[in-house]
Amino acid sequence: IQLTQSPSSLSASVGDRVTITCRASQGISSYLAWYQQKPGKAPKLLIYAASTLQSGVPSRFSGSGSGTDFTLTISSLQPEDFATYYCQQLNSYLGTFGQGTKLEIK
Amino acid sequence: EVQLVESGGGLVKPGGSLRLSCAASGFTFSSYSMNWVRQAPGKGLEWVSSISSSSSYIYYADSVKGRFTISRDNAKNSLYLQMNSLRAEDTAVYYCARESVVAEAGTFDYWGQGTLVTVSS
Repeated sequence: IQLTQSPSSLSASVGDRVTITCRASQGISSYLAWYQQKPGKAPKLLIYAASTLQSGVPSRFSGSGSGTDFTLTISSLQPEDFATYYCQQLNSYLGTFGQGTKLEIK
Repeated sequence: EVQLVESGGGLVKPGGSLRLSCAASGFTFSSYSMNWVRQAPGKGLEWVSSISSSSSYIYYADSVKGRFTISRDNAKNSLYLQMNSLRAEDTAVYYCARESVVAEAGTFDYWGQGTLVTVSS
């Protein structure tokens, strides 16, 4: 199963609402997770089961979708949100990641 | 506090071997499946291998099957990755990752800081 994220990179300002899309090559129900990775750091789990917020993750992050199309939305960008975001499918055990979306400061 | 600390990375020649370790603390290690995930310089994430809590189930990515061996020692709260026949394309930061028991199998809720493996002559 291939995952395609769009856009690959994105420039936005503090306070903006941002949406990142992840498309699966075949239906994966809601078996999708989102991670955030900052430079030189390990990834951090944000959302699982497409829309469930991981404990401790701010509520400005939200996820939606099922089947083949999924979105990660940040309702009001904060300075600490500038990072690279990855989706991951869990439909098949050999879970694959999207190629990443780099979110940069405008 | 959950902690995962990798070690064992370094520079190795093509065809060589390396053994990575991951020391776990702050949770009941023997109750969780564990994984290795790697990231080549400037690239995305690639799942490498998984081992169930009791070592009954082990999986590998096609790219490492037959060359890498995952194992664990629950008495020592430790995870290992034996890497043989290393290739330049194995150069990456290798992360140890805990598999969530709340989310779907294969979701990683805690990660180590990573250890860099460089394969070069």
